[in-house]
Amino acid sequence: GPKVLQIPSHQIIDMGQMVTLNCDPVSNHLYFYWYKQILGQQMEFLVNFYNGKVMEKSKLFKDQFSVERPDGSYFTLKIQPTALEDSAVYFCASSHGQGETLYFGSGTRLTVL
Amino acid sequence: GDSVTQTEGLVTVTEGLPVKLNCTYQTTYLTIAFFWYVQYLNEAPQVLLRSSTDNKRTEHQGFHATLHKSSSSFHLQKSSAQLSDSALYYCALSVRNTGYQNFYFGKGTSLTVIP
Repeated sequence: GPKVLQIPSHQIIDMGQMVTLNCDPVSNHLYFYWYKQILGQQMEFLVNFYNGKVMEKSKLFKDQFSVERPDGSYFTLKIQPTALEDSAVYFCASSHGQGETLYFGSGTRLTVL
Repeated sequence: GDSVTQTEGLVTVTEGLPVKLNCTYQTTYLTIAFFWYVQYLNEAPQVLLRSSTDNKRTEHQGFHATLHKSSSSFHLQKSSAQLSDSALYYCALSVRNTGYQNFYFGKGTSLTVIP
């Protein structure tokens, strides 16, 4: 099936540093999402992105978070500065159109020390 | 508000017996499609079932679900659980919100199949 690629698969950084998580969505997809999953817990919605704009975000999407997709390249999630509670697996997902299947990447495991 | 409610927490079933995971939803937006996603340990969620037709049974990999808009439900069932079915299951719906779509996921149900 369609593949969403996430780079890197693991990232370890010190608290207070900046981190950028990269996502290469399926090429013709139009809707992009980030989800956060703390170890052993359910997956939670962070933000969705369409037509170059954030359309909806959750309370978990703190002011330190930002997303962008410049010129149709990677869809990125930037956290600046990072906090200990940001340690989690972050999943990127994309879909082509309304009502169509959401495809997930394999996640980036972020560890903030 | 908009929500997806699933069978709470952990479900344990013996191999070979039937399993049912409940899912009900509530939304003020136009619902476009309904999904069940499965997440195996240390993997990404992947789609298991999708439906957009009321009262039509959808099947895949031995699982089935029927969307019932009258009761706002989309329960997942399997007649004979396998050890390999042990995973985290999410019910989700896709809605149209003033020109764009969003997905709403339930909190997930962890299914453990025991010998």
